[in-house]
Amino acid sequence: DAGITQSPRHKVTETGTPVTLRCHQTENHRYMYWYRQDPGHGLRLIHYSYGVKDTDKGEVSDGYSVSRSKTEDFLLTLESATSSQTSVYFCAISDHRAWNTEAFFGQGTRLTVV
Amino acid sequence: DAKTTQPPSMDCAEGRAANLPCNHSTISGNEYVYWYRQIHSQGPQYIIHGLKNNETNEMASLIITEDRKSSTLILPHATLRDTAVYYCIVRVPSNDYKLSFGAGTTVTVRA
Repeated sequence: DAGITQSPRHKVTETGTPVTLRCHQTENHRYMYWYRQDPGHGLRLIHYSYGVKDTDKGEVSDGYSVSRSKTEDFLLTLESATSSQTSVYFCAISDHRAWNTEAFFGQGTRLTVV
Repeated sequence: DAKTTQPPSMDCAEGRAANLPCNHSTISGNEYVYWYRQIHSQGPQYIIHGLKNNETNEMASLIITEDRKSSTLILPHATLRDTAVYYCIVRVPSNDYKLSFGAGTTVTVRA
């Protein structure tokens, strides 16, 4: 696997609490992505980053914010978690040096909001 | 963005070739076709990609039609470990590097 680490791998939190998921890479790739995956929906893009401090929204960004203060870390924050945000979250990275290269995915974070 | 259409599911016998179709009729000239797969509960895994020529690697072969409106991923000798959801993706060009996954094809390899 490429050098991608997601933390935590599992988390249970209460409705209304803030939650931050971390994606850490050691590949020095420019592009980083956050996805969520729910039964029947496949992978859906939440936010992505194309450089330090450069981020943009994906298709399901409501209720989520992101930050990228350095190349290796991409944080996903749920400001006030809701039960609808119970999901498996995947981080991905891709290389900027050739835009047609593949993306590498982390092993996922299973988040349960109760 | 060009979209893709894949059958929702297919079965394959172990040891036989699995041919996974993908339709991308609105693909533009500089967009690549990528295939990923996701084995249950794991992160998606890159398989192969191509622009217009057929491609082969240690995992699979990719056949792209001459008009580039469709492609086929071939797993030459499917094993039980190939049971997964397979995603066909058309990569958005220029400065937009978003990856957009559809529903994919659930492939079940049976002994």
